Amino acid sequence: VLTQSPSASASLGGSVKITCTLNTGNNAYVVAWHQQRPDQGPRFLMRFGHDGRHVKGDGVPNRFSGSSSGAERHLIISGLQDEDEGYYYCQTWGTGVPLFGGGTRVTVL
Amino acid sequence: EVQLVQSGAEVKKPNESLKISCRGSGYTFTTHWIAWVRQTPGKALEFMGVIYPGDSETRYSPSFQGQVTLSVDNSVTTAYLQWNSLKASDTALYYCARGVGATHFDFWGQGTLVTV
Repeated sequence: VLTQSPSASASLGGSVKITCTLNTGNNAYVVAWHQQRPDQGPRFLMRFGHDGRHVKGDGVPNRFSGSSSGAERHLIISGLQDEDEGYYYCQTWGTGVPLFGGGTRVTVL
Repeated sequence: EVQLVQSGAEVKKPNESLKISCRGSGYTFTTHWIAWVRQTPGKALEFMGVIYPGDSETRYSPSFQGQVTLSVDNSVTTAYLQWNSLKASDTALYYCARGVGATHFDFWGQGTLVTV
């Protein structure tokens, strides 16, 4: 199971940190982040491992970054823009069958 | 350029069958997983199942095992999601996604709306 907080918000130009907690018994699993803007399909943002290595999707701005601490994986959005509003889903495949978190709704104030 | 292009919207009646498709291009189709993901209105993404075109190995979410069937046709680099008997509760947007190294999805299709 992947657990995400339901919502997060920050002012335009500010920063927001979204957390995904691995409740899978293995903190080493790779976690990916996907963005879904209103009325759009999902978009891959980045893949993040517990060792700090990450791979970003095509055209993903530098203001998106990730970090890891134990069972937690974080997505950090700096310099928040209006276009960053939407839902963010974490995803893992470590258990043999892919899983998604419940999603975090990000609001730009 | 990697692309996943899905078939168009469908309107069906309960108990009818349906097969929707996802055509991959711009990469080696047989060496990447294709997953199917459901999204009902206002709800989160739900993983349904994943298939490896190289050998047709398939893994289903327990929630969808026996409810749908995944298949591929490598000659046309296309993956399929099939229902034998649709229910009203199958009304949703369905996305395909490319899987990399059995760790994550890196490209998504545009989605197919199924209305039952």
